Amino acid sequence: AQKVTQAQTEISVVEKEDVTLDCVYETRDTTYYLFWYKQPPSGELVFLIRRNSFDEQNEISGRYSWNFQKSTSSFNFTITASQVVDSAVYFCALSDQGGSQGNLIFGKGTKLSVKP
Amino acid sequence: EPEVTQTPSHQVTQMGQEVILRCVPISNHLYFYWYRQILGQKVEFLVSFYNNEISEKSEIFDDQFSVERPDGSNFTLKIRSTKLEDSAMYFCASSETGFFGYTFGSGTRLTVV
Repeated sequence: AQKVTQAQTEISVVEKEDVTLDCVYETRDTTYYLFWYKQPPSGELVFLIRRNSFDEQNEISGRYSWNFQKSTSSFNFTITASQVVDSAVYFCALSDQGGSQGNLIFGKGTKLSVKP
Repeated sequence: EPEVTQTPSHQVTQMGQEVILRCVPISNHLYFYWYRQILGQKVEFLVSFYNNEISEKSEIFDDQFSVERPDGSNFTLKIRSTKLEDSAMYFCASSETGFFGYTFGSGTRLTVV
């Protein structure tokens, strides 16, 4: 069965601190995709990254970086030098061939609060 | 940048009433989805739609729900007789294939009173 676990329910940091959001997934498939979405207070889902299971290279985009480790089934997300605008709920999601049409299975989300 | 458009952004309806949520997917996308997010909870898959038929649905998507692509551009979710527990944010999404170009709309907040 597919599952995404985001063990951190809420994290609070002070601006300019680095913060890592954890994501652990379960799937039996060898081909799958992992996603991170940001949900600001306005409610929309903002796409951050998609990574396929064959690409284990870490990725950096500005202050954001992602660490994909198949050995531990983890896809963690780090925000460097956090800013107040980073305050949001962050969701990790999985799409595998079990959901053959690309249905996403979401974790419960981590609420990040960045205080000035 | 192409986007998925959902209307209305907010809808209030009385319990027992039928409601239709509308979505315009990205024009060259082939796969369409509805998701639901009860306030403060995770986003949950409802249904996927491809080639004019449902390809997969979750346990949540019972007989009260239906989807339709009536005119080749709109993609609708109908709830026949709304219940209080249907109150949630409903997200439409579309993708080019099952994995690529996955784009969510900004959501419709449904409140059942």
